[in-house]
Amino acid sequence: DTGVSQDPRHKITKRGQNVTFRCDPISEHNRLYWYRQTLGQGPEFLTYFQNEAQLEKSRLLSDRFSAERPKGSFSTLEIQRTEQGDSAMYLCASSPWRFKAHYGYTFGSGTRLTVV
Amino acid sequence: QKEVEQNSGPLSVPEGAIASLNCTYSDRGSQSFFWYRQYSGKSPELIMSIYSNGDQEDGRFTAQLNKASQYVSLLIRDSQPSDSATYLCAKGGATNKLIFGTGTLLAVQP
Repeated sequence: DTGVSQDPRHKITKRGQNVTFRCDPISEHNRLYWYRQTLGQGPEFLTYFQNEAQLEKSRLLSDRFSAERPKGSFSTLEIQRTEQGDSAMYLCASSPWRFKAHYGYTFGSGTRLTVV
Repeated sequence: QKEVEQNSGPLSVPEGAIASLNCTYSDRGSQSFFWYRQYSGKSPELIMSIYSNGDQEDGRFTAQLNKASQYVSLLIRDSQPSDSATYLCAKGGATNKLIFGTGTLLAVQP
C-alpha cells in the first residue's frame, strides 16, 4: 500500500474558475477526511465520509465546496467560483473506524491551491 | 475559547535537551489525543496517540494526558536538529473527527 495519494500536488487557478482535487485513501480505510490548512494554522476540518456516506460537513464551509466519494474508495473535492481566500493546502486523510475505537489519521501529501 | 490551544512558539532547545510541548483542550468529552509532526511544506505525520490518563512512551517520545486538567503534553528526549518542525496537537471524540490546534514550532539548536 502506498499510503494516501492526492492529485494534483499544486494547482494555480484564476479567480472565478472551478477546481477539483482527488484523494485515494489507504484501501482498507473506510473513513476519509478533508481538511484545509493555511500558513501558521492547524488543519481545519471540512468534511468526512464513512464509505460512500458523507457524515458531516463543516458549518464554515460555503456552498461553493462539494465533496463526493461515489464508490467508497477515492474522493473528490470541488471548489466552484474560486476566491483568493480559498488559497490554502487541502489535505486528505484516511483512517479505519470501528465503534468506540479511536484511530489517528494518515494524511496525504496535500494539494496546494493558489488563486490568482 | 478555541477547542485545542497550543503556544505557537518558537520553542528553542539545544541539541540533546528535553523539549516539552503543551496543549490544552476545552471539551471534557474528548476521548483521544494525538500528536502530529509537520515539517515545513509537508503534510502532518502521526507520532503519538494517547487515550487514558498517564504517560505513553515510544522511543524518545512521551505523551502525557491529564483529563482532570484538560492538558496534554509531548516530551521529546535527546532532541535532535531533525526534530525541528511544527508539532500539532489534536483531539478526537466519539465520531473520531479530529480537531487540531495551531501547532507549536520547535527549533533544536545544534
